[in-house]
Amino acid sequence: AQTVTQSQPEMSVQEAETVTLSCTYDTSESDYYLFWYKQPPSRQMILVIRQEAYKQQNATENRFSVNFQKAAKSFSLKISDSQLGDAAMYFCAYRSPQINTGNQFYFGTGTSLTVIP
Amino acid sequence: NAGVTQTPKFQVLKTGQSMTLQCAQDMNHEYMSWYRQDPGMGLRLIHYSVGAGITDQGEVPNGYNVSRSTTEDFPLRLLSAAPSQTSVYFCASSYSDFTEAFFGQGTRLTVV
Repeated sequence: AQTVTQSQPEMSVQEAETVTLSCTYDTSESDYYLFWYKQPPSRQMILVIRQEAYKQQNATENRFSVNFQKAAKSFSLKISDSQLGDAAMYFCAYRSPQINTGNQFYFGTGTSLTVIP
Repeated sequence: NAGVTQTPKFQVLKTGQSMTLQCAQDMNHEYMSWYRQDPGMGLRLIHYSVGAGITDQGEVPNGYNVSRSTTEDFPLRLLSAAPSQTSVYFCASSYSDFTEAFFGQGTRLTVV
């Protein structure tokens, strides 16, 4: 089974500054999708950004961007101009192309981000 | 669109009791799944389904049962609740390709 590792259980950032959350994964598959989800205190899981493995270009969504290094199996999330509303738990997720297991998702253990005013 | 509707939001059970967590989606997604979220452990897959009538076990299936009689609904049954099942449970759905998962709002379950 694939594993997803988030080595930073907690991070903090000053408001308006930039922070990078790390994620690595282990797979032998060549085509897959990667995601970052945000979980605020409301508990709702919210998609932040997605990356297709076959695309070399890094995905960007407004203040959120990724650094996708396929050979290194690394998928970090950069949050620019951090806002108080960015405070949340962030989960990295890998989606397998294996249809016989329902294209299963694998999640990391999460990084809790605190934004300091 | 309601998306993924999960009920109840909170539940307290006594050890040995049974209950069903409900999950419904209105997006015609083939793939539905149940996860539990525990501190420091991320989301772990309990059971999943790739379509009506088809279910399979995930990483932590013991003590849970599922069925999928319709595309829309995917209930999770706790057969005999144990304190180790105290957790936050999420239902999720997606298309059966590389799209993202859509999550319900979660159920915080406490077993005493």
